[in-house]
Amino acid sequence: GQQVMQIPQYQHVQEGEDFTTYCNSSTTLSNIQWYKQRPGGHPVFLIQLVKSGEVKKQKRLTFQFGEAKKNSSLHITATQTTDVGTYFCAGLGYGNKLVFGAGTILRVKS
Amino acid sequence: DAGITQSPRHKVTETGTPVTLRCHQTENHRYMYWYRQDPGHGLRLIHYSYGVKDTDKGEVSDGYSVSRSKTEDFLLTLESATSSQTSVYFCAISELGLVSTDTQYFGPGTRLTVL
Repeated sequence: GQQVMQIPQYQHVQEGEDFTTYCNSSTTLSNIQWYKQRPGGHPVFLIQLVKSGEVKKQKRLTFQFGEAKKNSSLHITATQTTDVGTYFCAGLGYGNKLVFGAGTILRVKS
Repeated sequence: DAGITQSPRHKVTETGTPVTLRCHQTENHRYMYWYRQDPGHGLRLIHYSYGVKDTDKGEVSDGYSVSRSKTEDFLLTLESATSSQTSVYFCAISELGLVSTDTQYFGPGTRLTVL
């Protein structure tokens, strides 16, 4: 079945450093969504990418969707302690099933 | 945050007992979902509903059943709980469903421990 792989599984950065998480699908995706889950909280929708090669920005966060619509990335510039949490990608692929990646846990050391 | 509540928020039960988790929404969204979250697996879809009395299986439906008798309520039942069903369960809702460029709003979660 369709798989969405996310790397790295875990990253610990110094406050002010950049952070990137990558999402790769075994199949072409109709769209890709990104969610953030704070420790002890629930996933919260961040953004959705639909078009091939699309790039969207939200303040210090930059989201990209690959040209082949099989991969995506989330880049955070100059991390802050408020960025701590788990970042999930979720792809809508074959059979209209939304499949989540395992998530990347981000820890920020101040 | 969207108007989604889950009950109970925490539950400890014994193997073999039935368990029902409730999700309640005040957004009048058509689509509702049950996910389980386990370390290393992200969120996996158990069942979803696309209307009252309309439900379908997700990726990990074995051992679970659901019911939706009203738009606002979506129940998840573990007929005979097993230790492998120890997990955090999230309910989610969406307006347009999986066939569209739609977003999902998650409830606060239920932490279930099966001893």
